[in-house]
Amino acid sequence: DIQMTQSPSSLSASVGDRVTITCRASQTIINYLNWYQQKPGKAPKFLISDASNLQSGVPSRFSGGRSGTDFTLTISSLQPEDFATYYCQQSYIVPYNFGQGTKLEIK
Amino acid sequence: EVQLLESGGDLKQRGGSLRLSCAASGFTFSDFAMSWVRQSPGKGLQWVAGISGGGIATYYADSVKGRFIIFRENSKNTLYLQMNNLRAEDTATYYCAKDNSLAVTGHLDYGGPGTLVAVSS
Repeated sequence: DIQMTQSPSSLSASVGDRVTITCRASQTIINYLNWYQQKPGKAPKFLISDASNLQSGVPSRFSGGRSGTDFTLTISSLQPEDFATYYCQQSYIVPYNFGQGTKLEIK
Repeated sequence: EVQLLESGGDLKQRGGSLRLSCAASGFTFSDFAMSWVRQSPGKGLQWVAGISGGGIATYYADSVKGRFIIFRENSKNTLYLQMNNLRAEDTATYYCAKDNSLAVTGHLDYGGPGTLVAVSS
């Protein structure tokens, strides 16, 4: 199975900050990497597919990137509603494993 | 509007069985693959199983293979997860999720509120 490793596991930031979360795959997944946002008690929300494709309705302050087997989720200017837990997920081969999550908290 | 609503979660003893259901509306159910994703209390997400739109192709995480069965009734717009030989580590909130393709691609664009399964040892 492909293992996904996210860093950091938690992050404190302020409204207006630029933040970047990293996800590394244990083997090549080409660009088959998705990002989700989850708020407490809710289902995950699909943000980005295939490393950099922003889903409909997702604000443009969210962006995704890739360098080899390393992937990034960047939020350019944090808004109050962005404080949540973020997960990466590979969709290259089943099982479609998730990373362990990054909890983004208000500083 | 896409809506997914899971049901069937319960407290079960180790070794027992349980069937989860997910009622779907707001889209043409048979045109899209579906998956189950779970989350143990305070933990991260785990993809559990996926099924193609026609119901022919199914896929499982190693941890549930041979114990869980995913299936669907397209005539009823309903997805199921039959869970057998339950283990304590199956304790989790189970979400059903819609794929954005007929095939199981893992692009989960909508999810339900979840249903809680607790397994006692």
